[in-house]
Amino acid sequence: DTAVSQTPKYLVTQMGNDKSIKCEQNLGHDTMYWYKQDSKKFLKIMFSYNNKELIINETVPNRFSPKSPDKAHLNLHINSLELGDSAVYFCASSQEDSNTEAFFGQGTRLTVV
Amino acid sequence: GQNIDQPTEMTATEGAIVQINCTYQTSGFNGLFWYQQHAGEAPTFLSYNVLDGLEEKGRFSSFLSRSKGYSYLLLKELQMKDSASYLCAVRDRSQAGTALIFGKGTTLSVSS
Repeated sequence: DTAVSQTPKYLVTQMGNDKSIKCEQNLGHDTMYWYKQDSKKFLKIMFSYNNKELIINETVPNRFSPKSPDKAHLNLHINSLELGDSAVYFCASSQEDSNTEAFFGQGTRLTVV
Repeated sequence: GQNIDQPTEMTATEGAIVQINCTYQTSGFNGLFWYQQHAGEAPTFLSYNVLDGLEEKGRFSSFLSRSKGYSYLLLKELQMKDSASYLCAVRDRSQAGTALIFGKGTTLSVSS
């Protein structure tokens, strides 16, 4: 059973388009994250959601918006895509009040052309 | 704010021991994690420290000193498959909530 699954795995799209990446976790965790990993391999946190409330929003452009229909899902919507948005996006989940690790999805490689 | 530093690259040979250091500054420290990431794959969990001292897991050990804001990951009996990026991450808890903040990663190359 996949703990954290995100789709699609690959996404190629043109500048200016709007796209979404979906993420689901079946671990019963209460916190979900989105990270962006650029070509230099730096995992930069974008959003953190706890119990359907956005608790941390790093300085990302407002073209990026997280949507959480329920505790098990955190989708990432991106409007007006730009070349610089090309990266690998990882979803992760964890249980906030615990000493356990965060689990990552397989990643979505987004290429904007 | 948070700041996490680790070396960019390291090289070692099979069978050797390597230590990857990580220093951090954070206002709401709530644990330190080490992850391994192979090229094209997701990060996978290696170890967790929240109290000072050494945690051992097979060929991997991790150490934490909270007073010094310092951790290291020790890899023994290196194998070729250990060639990967090693990510130090700090769980930071503030009034706003909890975030897992990563360093920029250390790329380890193991040669025969």
